[in-house]
Amino acid sequence: AQRVTQPEKLLSVFKGAPVELKCNYSYSGSPELFWYVQYSRQRLQLLLRHISRESIKGFTADLNKGETSFHLKKPFAQEEDSAMYYCALGGGATNKLIFGTGTLLAVQP
Amino acid sequence: GAVVSQHPSWVICKSGTSVKIECRSLDFQATTMFWYRQFPKQSLMLMATSNEGSKATYEQGVEKDKFLINHASLTLSTLTVTSAHPEDSSFYICSAFKAGHKNEQFFGPGTRLTVL
Repeated sequence: AQRVTQPEKLLSVFKGAPVELKCNYSYSGSPELFWYVQYSRQRLQLLLRHISRESIKGFTADLNKGETSFHLKKPFAQEEDSAMYYCALGGGATNKLIFGTGTLLAVQP
Repeated sequence: GAVVSQHPSWVICKSGTSVKIECRSLDFQATTMFWYRQFPKQSLMLMATSNEGSKATYEQGVEKDKFLINHASLTLSTLTVTSAHPEDSSFYICSAFKAGHKNEQFFGPGTRLTVL
């Protein structure tokens, strides 16, 4: 069964501290992994996807198939990074996404 | 750009009535749209895949007769909650799939449904 696990509901860090939001997945096929972000009172938007292998707003994420993980990392958190972050699993012909439960990142000044 | 709108943004209705929510892709065509439900402080739960010109595909446990989906054009999908009950109160979010080299889903702002 397809499943996405985000173990932390809340992650609170101080500005300038490193951030790692954890995501593990379960999928029998070839997965596509995404990170979506939802800032306060805004709609969900794509942050990054594993196939792009890019850094967006200083965030990176590496797909580790051995550990079935796709953790989101940023070396120095900024206050404007405070938001809800969702890890999502896609793949297959349907293009549908399965979302994790989300992690609220709170960056303290 | 790739903008998705939803209408209405919020709606209050009486128990037993039906409510229709619209999802539009404003500047691109979307043969596939998705409907999600989000309970307070919880994740998005995929309800169904809306396919233009054909029947929607519902996820396990979602009643197709309760949540009617119509995707009559390449820019519009509608979700009708029939005979709504208080337990149907939730935040409903749609997304539209934009095919291309990036194959990305773009999300609407959501619709808050409250059933009294």
